[in-house]
Amino acid sequence: GAVVSQHPSWVICKSGTSVKIECRSLDFQATTMFWYRQFPKQSLMLMATSNEGSKATYEQGVEKDKFLINHASLTLSTLTVTSAHPEDSSFYICSATRDLSSYEQYFGPGTRLTVT
Amino acid sequence: LAKTTQPISMDSYEGQEVNITCSHNNIATNDYITWYQQFPSQGPRFIIQGYKTKVTNEVASLFIPADRKSSTLSLPRVSLSDTAVYYCLVGDRAAGNKLTFGGGTRVLVKP
Repeated sequence: GAVVSQHPSWVICKSGTSVKIECRSLDFQATTMFWYRQFPKQSLMLMATSNEGSKATYEQGVEKDKFLINHASLTLSTLTVTSAHPEDSSFYICSATRDLSSYEQYFGPGTRLTVT
Repeated sequence: LAKTTQPISMDSYEGQEVNITCSHNNIATNDYITWYQQFPSQGPRFIIQGYKTKVTNEVASLFIPADRKSSTLSLPRVSLSDTAVYYCLVGDRAAGNKLTFGGGTRVLVKP
């Protein structure tokens, strides 16, 4: 149990276009989901916290108008990278918590975004 | 959230025990210590979590001294498939479950 999926697993888009990444909790309800970004050979950087039915909370330095997050249901959160640029190319990973009393997060497999 | 310090990398050989020590001098009373494993181009995977003394599961053991200013993840008899990056995280369960990843330790298991 506690499986998180992401779609797509990889995407290539042209500079200036937008791309949407989906994060789904397959066998549990996730009241909170998190979005991370990871550049090659670097650690994960938390971008935002997504709560079902409310606005996402963004970490300092993350542009909320560029990285749109929607958490419409207890099993789905989406991250839309708007007007993508080559510097947005990265590995985007989501995670979800099943139980707020537990510290364990379940991570998705990640989405590799390449902006040309 | 408490900052953590880990070695950047470690090499080992198949069948050996690997011990990774993480320093967290500013750990707070409510903080738990959690370790994650990440393979290339994959999301991290939870390994183990503890508060004090020793915790063991089917994958690893976690040793935490009384002062809790450090912790050691022990991987028994590693195999090539244990080559990964291991992250030590410290945080309060009540802090919105936010996880702050440090640099991690890149473990290379050689044949």
